[in-house]
Amino acid sequence: GAGVSQSPSNKVTEKGKDVELRCDPISGHTALYWYRQSLGQGLEFLIYFQGNSAPDKSGLPSDRFSAERTGGSVSTLTIQRTQQEDSAVYLCASSWGLANDEQYFGPGTRLTVT
Amino acid sequence: QKEVEQDPGPLSVPEGAIVSLNCTYSNSAFQYFMWYRQYSRKGPELLMYTYSSGNKEDGRFTAQVDKSSKYISLFIRDSQPSDSATYLCAMNTGFQKLVFGTGTRLLVSP
Repeated sequence: GAGVSQSPSNKVTEKGKDVELRCDPISGHTALYWYRQSLGQGLEFLIYFQGNSAPDKSGLPSDRFSAERTGGSVSTLTIQRTQQEDSAVYLCASSWGLANDEQYFGPGTRLTVT
Repeated sequence: QKEVEQDPGPLSVPEGAIVSLNCTYSNSAFQYFMWYRQYSRKGPELLMYTYSSGNKEDGRFTAQVDKSSKYISLFIRDSQPSDSATYLCAMNTGFQKLVFGTGTRLLVSP
Protein backbone atom coordinates (compact mmCIF):
# COMPACT_ATOMS: atom_id res chain seq x y z
CA GLY A 1 0.00 0.00 0.00
CA ALA A 2 0.97 3.66 -0.25
CA GLY A 3 3.30 5.01 2.37
CA VAL A 4 3.76 8.55 3.61
CA SER A 5 4.41 10.91 0.74
CA GLN A 6 5.95 14.35 0.82
CA SER A 7 6.27 17.10 -1.73
CA PRO A 8 8.32 18.62 -3.10
CA SER A 9 11.27 16.26 -2.69
CA ASN A 10 13.66 19.19 -3.08
CA LYS A 11 13.11 22.91 -2.64
CA VAL A 12 15.60 25.70 -3.19
CA THR A 13 14.48 29.13 -2.10
CA GLU A 14 15.97 32.53 -1.53
CA LYS A 15 16.41 33.91 1.95
CA GLY A 16 13.32 35.82 3.02
CA LYS A 17 10.84 33.87 0.90
CA ASP A 18 8.02 31.75 2.32
CA VAL A 19 7.83 28.02 1.61
CA GLU A 20 5.15 25.36 2.03
CA LEU A 21 5.95 21.70 2.48
CA ARG A 22 3.26 19.07 2.08
CA CYS A 23 2.72 15.70 3.76
CA ASP A 24 0.20 13.00 2.80
CA PRO A 25 0.01 10.47 5.64
CA ILE A 26 -0.93 6.82 5.36
CA SER A 27 -4.69 6.51 4.93
CA GLY A 28 -6.43 6.00 8.27
CA HIS A 29 -3.52 7.23 10.38
CA THR A 30 -4.79 9.74 12.91
CA ALA A 31 -1.41 10.93 14.20
CA LEU A 32 0.97 13.05 12.13
CA TYR A 33 4.40 14.39 13.05
CA TRP A 34 6.90 16.80 11.56
CA TYR A 35 10.61 16.49 12.28
CA ARG A 36 13.63 18.38 10.99
CA GLN A 37 16.95 16.69 10.24
CA SER A 38 19.96 18.97 10.04
CA LEU A 39 23.49 17.86 9.29
CA GLY A 40 24.99 16.36 12.44
CA GLN A 41 21.90 17.17 14.51
CA GLY A 42 19.73 14.10 14.19
CA LEU A 43 15.97 14.39 13.97
CA GLU A 44 14.39 17.25 15.88
CA PHE A 45 10.68 17.15 16.74
CA LEU A 46 8.68 20.09 15.42
CA ILE A 47 4.93 19.47 15.79
CA TYR A 48 2.44 16.65 16.39
CA PHE A 49 -1.22 16.34 15.37
CA GLN A 50 -3.53 13.73 16.90
CA GLY A 51 -7.07 13.56 15.57
CA ASN A 52 -9.07 16.64 16.48
CA SER A 53 -6.95 17.52 19.51
CA ALA A 54 -4.96 20.74 19.70
CA PRO A 55 -1.54 20.11 18.13
CA ASP A 56 1.62 19.86 20.21
CA LYS A 57 3.66 22.77 18.83
CA SER A 58 6.37 22.59 21.48
CA GLY A 59 9.14 21.85 18.97
CA LEU A 60 8.58 24.72 16.56
CA PRO A 61 11.81 26.78 16.68
CA SER A 62 10.26 30.20 16.04
CA ASP A 63 7.01 31.91 15.12
CA ARG A 64 8.10 31.79 11.48
CA PHE A 65 7.13 28.12 11.53
CA SER A 66 3.52 26.98 11.44
CA ALA A 67 1.65 23.88 10.38
CA GLU A 68 -1.89 22.86 9.76
CA ARG A 69 -3.69 19.64 9.07
CA THR A 70 -6.82 19.84 7.00
CA GLY A 71 -9.61 17.30 7.34
CA GLY A 72 -7.49 15.13 9.57
CA SER A 73 -5.35 14.06 6.65
CA VAL A 74 -2.96 16.20 4.59
CA SER A 75 -0.63 18.53 6.47
CA THR A 76 1.27 21.60 5.37
CA LEU A 77 4.33 23.00 7.13
CA THR A 78 4.89 26.67 6.34
CA ILE A 79 8.12 28.54 6.95
CA GLN A 80 7.87 32.30 6.57
CA ARG A 81 10.79 34.61 5.80
CA THR A 82 13.19 31.69 5.42
CA GLN A 83 16.70 31.93 6.84
CA GLN A 84 19.81 29.98 5.86
CA GLU A 85 19.67 28.07 9.16
CA ASP A 86 16.31 26.66 8.03
CA SER A 87 18.15 24.55 5.45
CA ALA A 88 17.52 20.92 6.42
CA VAL A 89 15.52 17.84 5.51
CA TYR A 90 11.95 18.09 6.76
CA LEU A 91 10.48 14.68 7.54
CA CYS A 92 6.86 13.81 8.09
CA ALA A 93 5.67 10.68 9.87
CA SER A 94 2.27 9.20 10.61
CA SER A 95 0.90 6.51 12.90
CA TRP A 96 -2.39 4.98 14.06
CA GLY A 97 -2.30 7.20 17.13
CA LEU A 98 -2.22 4.33 19.60
CA ALA A 99 0.12 4.33 22.56
CA ASN A 100 3.68 4.00 21.27
CA ASP A 101 2.78 2.60 17.88
CA GLU A 102 5.26 2.76 15.01
CA GLN A 103 5.80 6.04 13.23
CA TYR A 104 6.12 5.61 9.47
CA PHE A 105 8.32 8.21 7.84
CA GLY A 106 8.10 9.81 4.44
CA PRO A 107 11.18 10.41 2.26
CA GLY A 108 11.47 14.02 3.37
CA THR A 109 11.74 17.40 1.67
CA ARG A 110 15.27 18.74 1.32
CA LEU A 111 15.08 22.51 1.80
CA THR A 112 17.98 24.71 0.77
CA VAL A 113 17.85 28.42 1.56
CA THR A 114 20.34 30.46 -0.48
CA GLN B 1 23.96 18.51 26.99
CA LYS B 2 21.69 16.61 24.63
CA GLU B 3 19.07 14.27 26.06
CA VAL B 4 20.36 11.47 23.80
CA GLU B 5 24.01 11.04 22.83
CA GLN B 6 25.16 8.93 19.91
CA ASP B 7 28.55 8.70 18.24
CA PRO B 8 28.14 9.94 14.64
CA GLY B 9 30.85 7.66 13.25
CA PRO B 10 31.45 6.71 10.54
CA LEU B 11 31.97 3.15 11.69
CA SER B 12 33.71 1.04 9.05
CA VAL B 13 33.70 -2.76 9.31
CA PRO B 14 34.37 -5.67 6.94
CA GLU B 15 31.54 -7.90 5.79
CA GLY B 16 30.69 -10.55 8.35
CA ALA B 17 31.78 -8.50 11.37
CA ILE B 18 29.67 -8.00 14.47
CA VAL B 19 28.63 -4.37 14.79
CA SER B 20 27.85 -2.63 18.06
CA LEU B 21 25.97 0.68 18.03
CA ASN B 22 25.24 2.58 21.22
CA CYS B 23 23.34 5.48 22.73
CA THR B 24 23.29 7.02 26.16
CA TYR B 25 20.50 9.17 27.53
CA SER B 26 19.93 11.42 30.48
CA ASN B 27 16.15 11.42 31.00
CA SER B 28 15.21 8.59 33.36
CA ALA B 29 11.56 8.99 32.28
CA PHE B 30 12.30 7.41 28.89
CA GLN B 31 10.61 4.02 28.77
CA TYR B 32 10.36 3.08 25.09
CA PHE B 33 13.45 2.62 22.95
CA MET B 34 13.73 2.25 19.21
CA TRP B 35 16.36 1.80 16.53
CA TYR B 36 15.73 3.21 13.08
CA ARG B 37 17.74 2.60 9.91
CA GLN B 38 18.03 5.36 7.35
CA TYR B 39 19.44 4.91 3.88
CA SER B 40 20.75 7.92 2.00
CA ARG B 41 17.98 10.24 0.76
CA LYS B 42 15.30 8.08 2.41
CA GLY B 43 13.16 8.39 5.52
CA PRO B 44 14.01 6.37 8.64
CA GLU B 45 12.47 2.89 8.98
CA LEU B 46 11.89 1.12 12.28
CA LEU B 47 14.22 -1.81 12.98
CA MET B 48 13.72 -2.65 16.64
CA TYR B 49 11.41 -1.55 19.43
CA THR B 50 11.92 -2.38 23.11
CA TYR B 51 10.16 -1.39 26.30
CA SER B 52 11.91 -2.93 29.26
CA SER B 53 15.51 -3.55 30.18
CA GLY B 54 17.05 -6.66 28.66
CA ASN B 55 17.60 -8.06 25.19
CA LYS B 56 15.35 -8.41 22.18
CA GLU B 57 16.42 -10.39 19.15
CA ASP B 58 15.14 -10.27 15.56
CA GLY B 59 17.16 -12.19 13.02
CA ARG B 60 20.66 -10.74 12.85
CA PHE B 61 19.69 -7.80 15.07
CA THR B 62 19.71 -7.65 18.88
CA ALA B 63 18.60 -4.62 20.86
CA GLN B 64 19.75 -4.24 24.43
CA VAL B 65 18.49 -1.79 27.06
CA ASP B 66 20.11 -1.06 30.42
CA LYS B 67 17.91 1.46 32.19
CA SER B 68 20.08 1.55 35.29
CA SER B 69 22.99 2.82 33.18
CA LYS B 70 20.78 4.75 30.74
CA TYR B 71 22.47 2.92 27.89
CA ILE B 72 21.05 1.16 24.85
CA SER B 73 22.77 -0.90 22.18
CA LEU B 74 22.06 -2.45 18.81
CA PHE B 75 24.12 -5.43 17.70
CA ILE B 76 24.25 -6.58 14.10
CA ARG B 77 25.63 -10.07 13.47
CA ASP B 78 27.14 -11.19 10.16
CA SER B 79 27.02 -7.65 8.82
CA GLN B 80 26.33 -7.23 5.11
CA PRO B 81 27.13 -4.39 2.67
CA SER B 82 23.37 -3.81 2.50
CA ASP B 83 23.49 -2.87 6.20
CA SER B 84 25.46 0.25 5.25
CA ALA B 85 23.22 3.08 6.43
CA THR B 86 22.76 5.54 9.27
CA TYR B 87 21.36 4.02 12.45
CA LEU B 88 19.34 6.29 14.72
CA CYS B 89 18.33 5.53 18.26
CA ALA B 90 15.07 7.07 19.46
CA MET B 91 13.13 7.04 22.67
CA ASN B 92 10.14 8.54 24.42
CA THR B 93 8.40 8.67 27.77
CA GLY B 94 5.22 6.97 26.64
CA PHE B 95 3.89 10.02 24.86
CA GLN B 96 4.26 10.26 21.12
CA LYS B 97 7.12 12.70 20.63
CA LEU B 98 10.34 10.82 19.83
CA VAL B 99 13.75 12.09 20.90
CA PHE B 100 16.47 10.96 18.52
CA GLY B 101 20.20 10.56 18.69
CA THR B 102 22.26 12.15 15.94
CA GLY B 103 22.68 8.80 14.17
CA THR B 104 25.73 6.61 13.52
CA ARG B 105 26.83 6.11 9.93
CA LEU B 106 27.80 2.47 9.31
CA LEU B 107 29.87 1.33 6.33
CA VAL B 108 30.20 -2.42 5.69
CA SER B 109 32.79 -3.20 3.06
CA PRO B 110 32.64 -6.40 0.95
